[in-house]
Amino acid sequence: QKEVEQDPGPLSVPEGAIVSLNCTYSNSAFQYFMWYRQYSRKGPELLMYTYSSGNKEDGRFTAQVDKSSKYISLFIRDSQPSDSATYLCAISPQGGSEKLVFGKGTKLTVNP
Amino acid sequence: SAVISQKPSRDICQRGTSLTIQCQVDSQVTMMFWYRQQPGQSLTLIATANQGSEATYESGFVIDKFPISRPNLTFSTLTVSNMSPEDSSIYLCSVEKTYEQYFGPGTRLTVT
Repeated sequence: QKEVEQDPGPLSVPEGAIVSLNCTYSNSAFQYFMWYRQYSRKGPELLMYTYSSGNKEDGRFTAQVDKSSKYISLFIRDSQPSDSATYLCAISPQGGSEKLVFGKGTKLTVNP
Repeated sequence: SAVISQKPSRDICQRGTSLTIQCQVDSQVTMMFWYRQQPGQSLTLIATANQGSEATYESGFVIDKFPISRPNLTFSTLTVSNMSPEDSSIYLCSVEKTYEQYFGPGTRLTVT
């Protein structure tokens, strides 16, 4: 079983839609959870960082963690064409100072 | 956050040669990381490079193939040695600041 599973998509939605991106992980030792956004031919950009179960909101983005189910989600409200990118979940036992384990990424296209 | 640059941004190399990738960050950092991103695959950590000590390599990666230097707190290099087509990939450096990891733009390597 892979440490992190992420549906690679691709996912195509109309502008204004609510997008749900998900990952599951297998090891309960992982305590830190991140979402990165990667535009084509660019490096990953940190979007959200959380270490507790529950929701964390930042503008149109909400990260949700359910440690009991080992399930993490990223919701994007009022999606925009500029949100079109690949979204990568990453997990770590100790946070950013340790090895990050990444999902394969979900490619999202938001159509105007 | 951190501003990270990498050189070269892309290169096409012949089998059996070596390429050195440079990573420069705009502020002093303790931990730098080198990742590989192959098509359709997760970002995979190659090694962790701390200034003043030998790099720590992940399973499947060896120093003879991927020697790393870390001469100071703002700079690191990764060399891909004796390249084969299987080394064609994007190579990314990242740095840790305040428990978060930030990535450079990547070096796109094609081996023919």
